[in-house]
Amino acid sequence: AQKVTQAQTEISVVEKEDVTLDCVYETRDTTYYLFWYKQPPSGELVFLIRRNSFDEQNEISGRYSWNFQKSTSSFNFTITASQVVDSAVYFCASNTGFQKLVFGTGTRLLVSP
Amino acid sequence: DSGVTQTPKHLITATGQRVTLRCSPRSGDLSVYWYQQSLDQGLQFLIQYYNGEERAKGNILERFSAQQFPDLHSELNLSSLELGDSALYFCASSGGLRMNTEAFFGQGTRLTVV
Repeated sequence: AQKVTQAQTEISVVEKEDVTLDCVYETRDTTYYLFWYKQPPSGELVFLIRRNSFDEQNEISGRYSWNFQKSTSSFNFTITASQVVDSAVYFCASNTGFQKLVFGTGTRLLVSP
Repeated sequence: DSGVTQTPKHLITATGQRVTLRCSPRSGDLSVYWYQQSLDQGLQFLIQYYNGEERAKGNILERFSAQQFPDLHSELNLSSLELGDSALYFCASSGGLRMNTEAFFGQGTRLTVV
């Protein structure tokens, strides 16, 4: 069975600091997909990224970057030069390509001015 | 805007009642998924429909049911409501059977049972 662990319950940083959100996944499948979602205070789930198990290239999108390491079963998310608008709960999730997403418990990020 | 529309956004109802949550998927998406987000259980998969047919079930209670209509919108019916059913209910849609593409979620329906 799949499992996603986000050990950091809450992280507080000051604006402009870099912050990394950890995600560790467990799966027996060789083909799987990893996702990150952002849930701002308004409540919606905003898709950030999807990665498949065959693509270990790191990805950068503006201030966001993702580090996928199969050797440690991790898919960490870094926000560079954080901003107040980055304050949200961030969820890591995985699936095998079929059916349901399995979500981690989320990491609440608080960015203060 | 994800393109997935959920109504209503908020719902307050009493225990024992029945409610219907509605979801319109993104244009062209055939799969609809329902998720429940509660404080104690986190985000949990409930059920998936693909082109009108049920394809997968998660931890969905027997008091809950869903369907997908020919126009591809979906409804989640919750009956005999209990206080513990208070949660944020999300609908998501994707193009095919698999949720390995970008999966887009609606804004959710916040259900409060009093």
